[in-house]
Amino acid sequence: DIQMTQSPSSLSASVGDRVTITCRASQSISSYLNWYQQKIGKAPKLLIYGASSLQSGVPSRFSGSGSGTDFTLTISSLQPEDFATYFCQQSYSTPRTFGQGTKVEIK
Amino acid sequence: QVQLVQSGGEVKKPGASVKVSCKASGYTFTSYGFSWVRQAPGQGLEWMGWISAYNGNTNYAQNLQGRVTMTTDTSTSTAYMELRSLRSDDTAVYYCVRESAYGDYIVFYYWGQGTLVTVSS
Repeated sequence: DIQMTQSPSSLSASVGDRVTITCRASQSISSYLNWYQQKIGKAPKLLIYGASSLQSGVPSRFSGSGSGTDFTLTISSLQPEDFATYFCQQSYSTPRTFGQGTKVEIK
Repeated sequence: QVQLVQSGGEVKKPGASVKVSCKASGYTFTSYGFSWVRQAPGQGLEWMGWISAYNGNTNYAQNLQGRVTMTTDTSTSTAYMELRSLRSDDTAVYYCVRESAYGDYIVFYYWGQGTLVTVSS
């Protein structure tokens, strides 16, 4: 199975800050990497697919990059509605494993 | 519009079984597969397995093999996930997800609202 490791597990940031979350795969997954945002009590929401493609309707302050084993999700200017937990997921093979999540909290 | 509506929460005793349903609407049911994902309280997301709504082929997570069965009923456009021999660490919110393909990429765009299964004596 491919293991996905996110860092950090949590972070505190202020509105307007630039935030970067990293995700590392235990083996190469090319660009088969998705990012999701989850708010409390809700199902996850797709933000980025194919490592860097922005899902329709998602604000352009979200961006993704990387290929192979190392990936990043960047929020260029954190907004109040962005405080949530973020998960990466590989879609290279089954089981379609997720990272453990990164909780973005208000500083 | 695509909708996935799951059955209500369940409370089960250890050793029992639970069957969660996921009724789909707004698209051709047999054109897409379903994954099931669970989330224990305060924890991350765990992929449980996948079923083709076209032919019923399945692919289960290794750690659930033998305890989980995923099925579909094309006459009612409903997907089911049954988990047997429940343990306390099966307590979680269970989500059905309709898989979508964006070119080569499989994405989880459509999610059910989640079903809380509580296992407690």
